[in-house]
Parts: sequence; C-alpha cells; structure tokens
Amino acid sequence: ETGVTQTPRHLVMGMTNKKSLKCEQHLGHNAMYWYKQSAKKPLELMFVYNFKEQTENNSVPSRFSPECPNSSHLFLHLHTLQPEDSALYLCASSQQRNDNEQFFGPGTRLTVL
Amino acid sequence: EDQVTQSPEALRLQEGESSSLNCSYTVSGLRGLFWYRQDPGKGPEFLFTLYSAGEEKEKERLKATLTKKESFLHITAPKPEDSATYLCAVASGSARQLTFGSGTQLTVLP
Repeated sequence: ETGVTQTPRHLVMGMTNKKSLKCEQHLGHNAMYWYKQSAKKPLELMFVYNFKEQTENNSVPSRFSPECPNSSHLFLHLHTLQPEDSALYLCASSQQRNDNEQFFGPGTRLTVL
Repeated sequence: EDQVTQSPEALRLQEGESSSLNCSYTVSGLRGLFWYRQDPGKGPEFLFTLYSAGEEKEKERLKATLTKKESFLHITAPKPEDSATYLCAVASGSARQLTFGSGTQLTVLP
C-alpha cells in the first residue's frame, strides 16, 4: 500500500447506527486531518492531529469522534448521525502540522438514511 | 478571515482549446497557494504550490501563475483526460489551516 488509504470506500448507515471510518498513511508523515466535502461546497476541515495529539477541532458536532492511536492511523467514529451528514469524508496527511502540502486519501462516501 | 473564490464554476472545452481557471484570494500574509486536481469519487491530488507573486510552475499541459490577488491555472491544448475538478487552496500566516475554494469542474470534449 502506498500513500493514504481509507476504508470503507462507501458506507450507508441509519441514523441510530454506530460506524467507524479508518485512514492509514504510508508516507511517514506526522500530521493527519479529517475533511468533509459536500456537493458544491469547499472542503471543510474537521479535525487535525499532530504527533497523535489533537490540535484542532473546528466546532464539529460530538456525533463525530476522532481517534488517532499513532501517527499512521486515524479513525472517525460516527454515531446518531443526521441525513445532512451525508458527504465525502476525506483523510489527509502532511509531513508536519505547519507543512500545508497535504496528501489526500480517496475518501469514504457516507450516506445517512 | 481568509477567502478563496474560484471561477468559473464549470468549464467545457473542446480538445485542444486552451483556457485558464481563476482563483482569487484574500488572506493576511500568504504562506502558500495550492492547486489540486480531483477526479470523481477520489480525493484531491496535489499539483502545485506557489509561494510568491510572479512565481510560475508547469506540469505537462498545466501552468500555474500567481499574483498578489489571484492565481491562474492555464491549460494548454487540453485532452479529455484533463477533465476533473480543479481546487485552489491558500495557507496564510494568521490561519493554521488551508482554506479551499469550491473548485472549477473542467470537462474536455473529444
């Protein structure tokens, strides 16, 4: 595996389900990010982790819960989501937190019914 | 607050018909301007970083330029495989994150 991988690629869930998104980067980077991409809207930064420590949470609702066990893995735990949370969720990584050249994974297409 | 505006929202070109995409920005202290390409169902793919006005970078049929207020992505003699959404983002001294534009969806017809 190379670059940034994400699983699953597609996810359909009900509003009462609990699911998790997984991201893994094989680039030796120290910073990882979660973004939300909705149709016709700019990418929205959700969370930032630097050396496993969360450094930013952009006012994301608590139904989204991130976890970063090490610098290579990032999870996004989902529970009691709303239909408006349906979107493409992208993971990215960069060498350092202040290094803005970010490399993105393919994303998870989430549909909340 | 940093702002990025991309135009046009969508652009249809015939194969070989050169054109330019625009990215206008307002930031306090530009640290870098980034261009990404995004294919349907995939994550953005990094293309270029520009750091200062007057800087230019090229890759195959793409050329990115930067002024103090905007950046252009010039596409010379495009091919159908250049069809994608092109995203622009800025990093500023005051913000600790990238600010993205909404993108330009480019379609190149054979």
